[in-house]
Amino acid sequence: ILNVEQSPQSLHVQEGDSTNFTCSFPSSNFYALHWYRWETAKSPEALFVMTLNGDEKKKGRISATLNTKEGYSYLYIKGSQPEDSATYLCALNTGFQKLVFGTGTRLLVSP
Amino acid sequence: DTAVSQTPKYLVTQMGNDKSIKCEQNLGHDTMYWYKQDSKKFLKIMFSYNNKELIINETVPNRFSPKSPDKAHLNLHINSLELGDSAVYFCASSQLNTAEQFFGPGTRLTVL
Repeated sequence: ILNVEQSPQSLHVQEGDSTNFTCSFPSSNFYALHWYRWETAKSPEALFVMTLNGDEKKKGRISATLNTKEGYSYLYIKGSQPEDSATYLCALNTGFQKLVFGTGTRLLVSP
Repeated sequence: DTAVSQTPKYLVTQMGNDKSIKCEQNLGHDTMYWYKQDSKKFLKIMFSYNNKELIINETVPNRFSPKSPDKAHLNLHINSLELGDSAVYFCASSQLNTAEQFFGPGTRLTVL
């Protein structure tokens, strides 16, 4: 069974703090790595899709890096805002359009 | 316009009943999916269809039968509902194999 692990499980930071989370996966089973943002009572929203070792993607204050050789991806949020509060999911595309999701990192940003 | 829509949003039913959840996407995508969010909040793939053809069929009881009348729709029919079927079911769509998937709002199914 393929395991996609995320850490930490939850995180509470103050507004303005920068933070980062980790997604770990078996480096041999890899087509693409997805990051999603999931707010409570809404549907998951895609942030990034990364395929190449060394990929770096950025969207506003959020960025992500990918290391396929060692099997991890980092998601960074610079200057966290309360509206960043959500669960951040990573998912591994193992081929045939199949996404295997991690359990997520729940972020709470206090004003 | 909603990109991926699901109906109903909430479904409460008795054990043993048969029910359907509908999904429609207006993004012109060729691949659609059904996911189940389990009790531990994991999102797990159930099925995927590409151009109306079944691509992924995970270990799902055969009481669950997806139907894709066209590539914009993927409906989920569930026969003989059981208590353990209670969950939130999400539909999604995408265009390419490695492309981001767009999720619907989810359907919360409660089996009594």
